[in-house]
Amino acid sequence: SAVISQKPSRDICQRGTSLTIQCQVDSQVTMMFWYRQQPGQSLTLIATANQGSEATYESGFVIDKFPISRPNLTFSTLTVSNMSPEDSSIYLCSVVPGQGMNTEAFFGQGTRLTVV
Amino acid sequence: GNSVTQMEGPVTLSEEAFLTINCTYTATGYPSLFWYVQYPGEGLQLLLKATKADDKGSNKGFEATYRKETTSFHLEKGSVQVSDSAVYFCALRRYWFPGGSQGNLIFGKGTKLSVKP
Repeated sequence: SAVISQKPSRDICQRGTSLTIQCQVDSQVTMMFWYRQQPGQSLTLIATANQGSEATYESGFVIDKFPISRPNLTFSTLTVSNMSPEDSSIYLCSVVPGQGMNTEAFFGQGTRLTVV
Repeated sequence: GNSVTQMEGPVTLSEEAFLTINCTYTATGYPSLFWYVQYPGEGLQLLLKATKADDKGSNKGFEATYRKETTSFHLEKGSVQVSDSAVYFCALRRYWFPGGSQGNLIFGKGTKLSVKP
């Protein structure tokens, strides 16, 4: 299993500013994922952040807007840059602490971001 | 591509009622299927999973059977309680392959369940 500490839990930010979200895991994990959950919508994968390599972004998400760091096997950050009201969402990090298709994914509590 | 279609909510039931939340999927090959639950104010938690056709996942009185012939993974509970009020997400695990995204989940839109006493 894995316990994830994600912070901040919520924030209200001015448009044009940036926010960095942190995820700390209580064990070493190779795979870490960042998701976005827009109001009333499902979770959408932003990027996969594996330690030792560049993050891989999904279609519609770019590094300049959502830079990710993964300095070690227990920590990652996601920055939401140059924010606009459309970035208001819940952002979640997730880890899969094991190999194979059947391994359970664990999630942080989420960061509720409101951009005004 | 891979996708999950889930019954839209919200769903409101009385305590002890029978619950079904429909979930169908589109995927190449043989994905693993999951139900996650998000209780008010809490993070996502795994409720149950099934990794191959005809597997039945079960937990806390909830059940779901992996039906490859109908590409479905419907969630059921015979008698819901007020404490089951939450948002339920159906999800599938993408194929493991080198490069690109590996092992992430693809989610349905979520179904909000409210159970009244």
